[in-house]
Amino acid sequence: KQEVTQIPAALSVPEGENLVLNCSFTDSAIYNLQWFRQDPGKGLTSLLLIQSSQREQTSGRLNASLDKSSGRSTLYIAASQPGDSATYLCAVRPRYGGSQGNLIFGKGTKLSVKP
Amino acid sequence: DVKVTQSSRYLVKRTGEKVFLECVQDMDHENMFWYRQDPGLGLRLIYFSYDVKMKEKGDIPEGYSVSREKKERFSLILESASTNQTSMYLCASSPGGQGSLDEQFFGPGTRLTVL
Repeated sequence: KQEVTQIPAALSVPEGENLVLNCSFTDSAIYNLQWFRQDPGKGLTSLLLIQSSQREQTSGRLNASLDKSSGRSTLYIAASQPGDSATYLCAVRPRYGGSQGNLIFGKGTKLSVKP
Repeated sequence: DVKVTQSSRYLVKRTGEKVFLECVQDMDHENMFWYRQDPGLGLRLIYFSYDVKMKEKGDIPEGYSVSREKKERFSLILESASTNQTSMYLCASSPGGQGSLDEQFFGPGTRLTVL
């Protein structure tokens, strides 16, 4: 059964720092991996989608990498800002088992960027 | 931009009431999903639908049912609400049938409290 883990559960950094959020998954048979952002009490905002054939995707100050064989993804945030404070979730879409099109989520990393 | 809307941001109901949560997407997506999110447990799939009138159970369907009479609308029904159904409910949609390109988009969430 696919499991997704995000470590650490919480992270606090000073403004301006570059940081990396980690995501690991147990089964490399995936279609894709998505990174989401969630603000308190709100829904999820899709940040990046990496297809299984890709190694990385970039959007602005965000860069996500995927190493499918080792079951790892990282989200790199450059020059962090207080507005980046949120919970970041990663999710994989498995190729086999589970529900069609379903995502398996990690429990998230809560990021706090201090001014 | 993909837009997924949910009928209520906050809802308070009594034990035993029948509760309807509505979700509408405006991008002609094939797939629609209902998740619940609880502290420490993350997001869990309740039901999903891959076509009008088609539905499949997710990981935690007990106590819930769904309806999809039109492509753009997916309803979650709590037949007899119980206190353990107090949670954040998130609706999502995705284009479907695109393998690694299939990306999920989420609504703003409904915070349901059952008293």
